[in-house]
Amino acid sequence: DAGVIQSPRHEVTEMGQEVTLRCKPISGHDYLFWYRQTMMRGLELLIYFNNNVPIDDSGMPEDRFSAKMPNASFSTLKIQPSEPRDSAVYFCASSYFRSGGNNEQFFGPGTRLTVL
Amino acid sequence: AQSVTQPDIHITVSEGASLELRCNYSYGATPYLFWYVQSPGQGLQLLLKYFSGDTLVQGIKGFEAEFKRSQSSFNLRKPSVHWSDAAEYFCAVGDPLRFAGGYQKVTFGTGTKLQVIP
Repeated sequence: DAGVIQSPRHEVTEMGQEVTLRCKPISGHDYLFWYRQTMMRGLELLIYFNNNVPIDDSGMPEDRFSAKMPNASFSTLKIQPSEPRDSAVYFCASSYFRSGGNNEQFFGPGTRLTVL
Repeated sequence: AQSVTQPDIHITVSEGASLELRCNYSYGATPYLFWYVQSPGQGLQLLLKYFSGDTLVQGIKGFEAEFKRSQSSFNLRKPSVHWSDAAEYFCAVGDPLRFAGGYQKVTFGTGTKLQVIP
């Protein structure tokens, strides 16, 4: 398997522009997570999905952020409008549920977002 | 709610020396515990995990961790560090009761950056 695939790997944009980050989870995984990593705040969970349904979006910072999972093999995280404080590395991860709790998350390589 | 603390932000060790990275958790019972490693420019990779049973857990790359309930700790160890171990290490905790119900949120610590000197 190719692992979790994220695109783009790097994104530079100007303040006010819309940014869309993409993720393809590992085939067969039923959970998908979006994280944000910054020096100041560390690794934060933004939202996660189970079987394409958002389960917990309490980490989404504000209404400028939205995430969708239209099918089991694709998810997007959108920021509109973007602001310089959104600059961070955004990770997507996926896992599959096993009874007994053996639920390792597999992380993608991340998208480094810079908002000027 | 569970929480996890990694008290060391940076650690520097010499190649060949032993390593111990500290992790303390807060949870009312025995949590699920994980150690992940992040190499520069990469995503996180699972090193090892503890759910139950033997409190000494073996992982990949020669790492091990020991769960100590009395100290609420899950410290990561390696007897001899290699230069390729330079990375950032994250401890994480999950709630077993919520995991069983399909709630998969894991709380990550703030990470410890490991520098290895020749």
